[in-house]
Amino acid sequence: DAGVTQSPTHLIKTRGQQVTLRCSPKSGHDTVSWYQQALGQGPQFIFQYYEEEERQRGNFPDRFSGHQFPNYSSELNVNALLLGDSALYLCASSLRQVDTQYFGPGTRLTVL
Amino acid sequence: TQLLEQSPQFLSIQEGENLTVYCNSSSVFSSLQWYRQEPGEGPVLLVTVVTGGEVKKLKRLTFQFGDARKDSSLHITAAQPGDTGLYLCAGGFRGSSNTGKLIFGQGTTLQVKP
Repeated sequence: DAGVTQSPTHLIKTRGQQVTLRCSPKSGHDTVSWYQQALGQGPQFIFQYYEEEERQRGNFPDRFSGHQFPNYSSELNVNALLLGDSALYLCASSLRQVDTQYFGPGTRLTVL
Repeated sequence: TQLLEQSPQFLSIQEGENLTVYCNSSSVFSSLQWYRQEPGEGPVLLVTVVTGGEVKKLKRLTFQFGDARKDSSLHITAAQPGDTGLYLCAGGFRGSSNTGKLIFGQGTTLQVKP
């Protein structure tokens, strides 16, 4: 049973660039949530996608956008990167927005 | 704004000792999840509690959800070096405008020395 997968594992970008992160949910799950985790902090909720629509959004600027595909996989896009966007980006999947979420290994983004 | 206060933030103990981590909020949650995270990896789910007053045991770990569903605790008996890691609590919502959103505490870093 495949768990949540994310790509790439690591990414280095410069300020002002744009980045796309990808996530495939756990088999049987249809909801994908994205979180940002700064070093030494708990994850912060970015947004959640269900039925290919953004259903919930945390306190993140419009530079953060996403998409969910018919196969339930998802992308997180960040435009105009800032140094402060450097973090571990986590994807979590669940069934029909039910609370229990299972996390992927994360993508470590470094902005120089 | 929903907040989840986790304490203590850091804990360094000897192998064999017991410990308790607390998670408190003024918000009522429909569920409370506990995760364990290794450096550079994603959080791994330990348990989900959904009923006020619920107690769940997972080997040497005991999880409790407060009666009012605003707080939770994690107790580890006879800690082992393999228990070392970051422990995170996360409150979930259902049937409200926040359905699906998880609010995380800031985490407790546990170090168990052999």
